[in-house]
Amino acid sequence: GENVGLHLPTLSVQEGDNSIINCAYSNSASDYFIWYKQESGKGPQFIIDIRSNMDKRQGQRVTVLLNKTVKHLSLQIAATQPGDSAVYFCAGLSGGSYIPTFGRGTSLIVHP
Amino acid sequence: DSGVTQTPKHLITATGQRVTLRCSPRSGDLSVYWYQQSLDQGLQFLIQYYNGEERAKGNILERFSAQQFPDLHSELNLSSLELGDSALYFCASSEGAGGPYNEQFFGPGTRLTVL
Repeated sequence: GENVGLHLPTLSVQEGDNSIINCAYSNSASDYFIWYKQESGKGPQFIIDIRSNMDKRQGQRVTVLLNKTVKHLSLQIAATQPGDSAVYFCAGLSGGSYIPTFGRGTSLIVHP
Repeated sequence: DSGVTQTPKHLITATGQRVTLRCSPRSGDLSVYWYQQSLDQGLQFLIQYYNGEERAKGNILERFSAQQFPDLHSELNLSSLELGDSALYFCASSEGAGGPYNEQFFGPGTRLTVL
């Protein structure tokens, strides 16, 4: 299976700043990663994904970076807004697996 | 709104009891996944059903069981409940059988409290 963990349990930023949430994984066979956002009282919601043959993928205000050499991925949120306050999870899939393994989550707090 | 519904929203029960959690997937989705989320364990995969058949099994206790019915809704049965079973239980659904690019859509969860 995949062992996916997050570096920081809580990240506090000011509105308008850029946020960076980090995630480490242990299985070098992992070939697909997903970031989820979970708001208070709700289930996780897909944000962005990336395959291992890419090192960067951009969405709307979000960018995921993958460094396979050090088995690390990050989620960058540009111009962070109060509505971005949530817990963010990374999840990984290795070849042949159908079920992602989730990290513990980082709580992002955006101060107005 | 993800389109996945779960009932009940909250459940309070006593140790030793049995409960049933219900999930209705998004229209058209054939897979249903069950996850347990607790403060110390994060989001743990329990079991997946695809079109009525068990597809994958995770860290599901023998006291727990699930099934998916012909109308594709699913139930998770938790028996001989212990204090440590208190957690949020999420159901997710996806169109396909799982794997990359099979986005999972999560329901709002059922909060189970065992006293």
